Amino acid sequence: AQSVTQLDSHVSVSEGTPVLLRCNYSSSYSPSLFWYVQHPNKGLQLLLKYTSAATLVKGINGFEAEFKKSETSFHLTKPSAHMSDAAEYFCVVSEGGSARQLTFGSGTQLTVLP
Amino acid sequence: DSGVTQTPKHLITATGQRVTLRCSPRSGDLSVYWYQQSLDQGLQFLIQYYNGEERAKGNILERFSAQQFPDLHSELNLSSLELGDSALYFCASSVAGGGHTGELFFGEGSRLTVL
Repeated sequence: AQSVTQLDSHVSVSEGTPVLLRCNYSSSYSPSLFWYVQHPNKGLQLLLKYTSAATLVKGINGFEAEFKKSETSFHLTKPSAHMSDAAEYFCVVSEGGSARQLTFGSGTQLTVLP
Repeated sequence: DSGVTQTPKHLITATGQRVTLRCSPRSGDLSVYWYQQSLDQGLQFLIQYYNGEERAKGNILERFSAQQFPDLHSELNLSSLELGDSALYFCASSVAGGGHTGELFFGEGSRLTVL
């Protein structure tokens, strides 16, 4: 069975400082991993995805994530936060080709302070 | 703009009633997914349709049903509504059906409030 744990429900950073949103996963197989972002009153949008190619994945808006199999982690980072980054972020794991097997984390709310 | 359209955006109704939520997928996408998002349960997968046929089922209650029409739009029907059904209901679409890569395109959701 697969699962995903987002280690922080809320993260607060100042504008211009680095962002780190932490995600650990559990999977019996080689998973695919994703980060989605949800801005207020909007649907979820794919930020980036890992599907067993390069372990360092670059996404939109300057975000990137590194797949670390030994640590079963897929943390999301950004060197410098912008006010527009304030949103909720979801880590997602998928083991197979079925929508049943797409497991969403509980989300991390990112606040960016001026 | 994801290209996925959901209506209505907001809906307020009473317990015991029935509502229908509508979703138009992105042009060219054959798969439609329905998710429920609530504060206590998070984002829960309900059901997936591919080209008019049910493809996968998640935590969907028997009081809920869905279908995908020949023009690929989908409807989620919620009946005998209870207070606990109050949530944000998302529709998502993707090109693929049998193979799921996790790349979903989400609508902005329909917020259902049951009083």
